Amino acid sequence: GENVEQHPSTLSVQEGDSAVIKCTYSDSASNYFPWYKQELGKGPQLIIDIRSNVGEKKDQRIAVTLNKTAKHFSLHITETQPEDSAVYFCAALRTGTASKLTFGTGTRLQVTL
Amino acid sequence: SAVISQKPSRDICQRGTSLTIQCQVDSQVTMMFWYRQQPGQSLTLIATANQGSEATYESGFVIDKFPISRPNLTFSTLTVSNMSPEDSSIYLCSVGQVNTGELFFGEGSRLTVL
Repeated sequence: GENVEQHPSTLSVQEGDSAVIKCTYSDSASNYFPWYKQELGKGPQLIIDIRSNVGEKKDQRIAVTLNKTAKHFSLHITETQPEDSAVYFCAALRTGTASKLTFGTGTRLQVTL
Repeated sequence: SAVISQKPSRDICQRGTSLTIQCQVDSQVTMMFWYRQQPGQSLTLIATANQGSEATYESGFVIDKFPISRPNLTFSTLTVSNMSPEDSSIYLCSVGQVNTGELFFGEGSRLTVL
């Protein structure tokens, strides 16, 4: 089955700096890679996703890149703000099959003033 | 995305008791799932809730411990039976699309077992 590794487990940046979280996956057939943000006391929220037919996707201050050859994908947050502080999870899936979304272990991002 | 409502949002339970968590979605959805998130951990799939039939459980989870119902396309329940402190977790209902892969979560039910 799919295995997703996520690094780092914790990340502290100063407000305004950029943050990068990296994930690797094992199943070359995976074609859908979402990222979730979980704030304290809340459920995970889908913030951005990328499919295997593109290499990069951007939505305002967040972007995701995908390298299919190396089987890794990354989340980039620019101009970080205190409200970006949360736990971020990456995941991988092969769509259209009975396979389930496999999650990374999470990254706790702390944006300091 | 669908609006997913879970209740209770949190509860403190005594060892040996059972608790049922409800999940209501504001639109008909094909796929409904239940996840567990232990303190400080990632999300682990418990089972797929199948409408009108028995749920499909993942390895390590059994129906006797986590009975699930899904009487229609918008509602499901998860029961945590004969609870022990090790069952203290966040239990999350989610809905998704097999074809697109998108998965959305409720706010979770935070259970503490004493």
